[in-house]
Amino acid sequence: EADIYQTPRYLVIGTGKKITLECSQTMGHDKMYWYQQDPGMELHLIHYSYGVNSTEKGDLSSESTVSRIRTEHFPLTLESARPSHTSQYLCASQRDTAGEQYFGPGTRLTVT
Amino acid sequence: AQSVTQLGSHVSVSEGALVLLRCNYSSSVPPYLFWYVQYPNQGLQLLLKYTSAATLVKGINGFEAEFKKSETSFHLTKPSAHMSDAAEYFCAVSDRGGGFKTIFGAGTRLFVKA
Repeated sequence: EADIYQTPRYLVIGTGKKITLECSQTMGHDKMYWYQQDPGMELHLIHYSYGVNSTEKGDLSSESTVSRIRTEHFPLTLESARPSHTSQYLCASQRDTAGEQYFGPGTRLTVT
Repeated sequence: AQSVTQLGSHVSVSEGALVLLRCNYSSSVPPYLFWYVQYPNQGLQLLLKYTSAATLVKGINGFEAEFKKSETSFHLTKPSAHMSDAAEYFCAVSDRGGGFKTIFGAGTRLFVKA
């Protein structure tokens, strides 16, 4: 079983607040990803990293930022949350380019 | 450029009936193909993957998929549906031409009727 963790699982927060969604994996994977997914809908890649100090924006424009200071840790930060940020955020890691991705359980964010 | 199309956003079957979820891909080079399952309020979990070995791939929970190059398809099947199979299913493709970037389909929600 894959070891990738996301906290918190659920978060309700007011508009304008700064939040950080945590993602950690213990598999030593270099590649990590953040996806945004509305309920029952497709995944949208918002950020990815191919290793420490490497981060790139994904296909979907996002007002969030990420950092990759350690291999195992890939947090996502929203400087000022807005209702449009309400969604589920999924973190994933990948051992090699041809392999499958391992997903965390997700963080469901609601901005009021 | 690689792409993946899942035919049917919703599929409904009776318990015990055959499950068939369709996936077609576009790739200029031999692809890697994946099926993932997502249960409510959870992340995606790998069901099976094709990486240029046997064309018929067996996965977890009794699912299997067949890679058909001539049809550019990778349909997911299960002979007999169980209530616990109700979930969202995603097909995904990656290939060397796309820098091994994984592209996910829009997903198919499977409903299983008692």
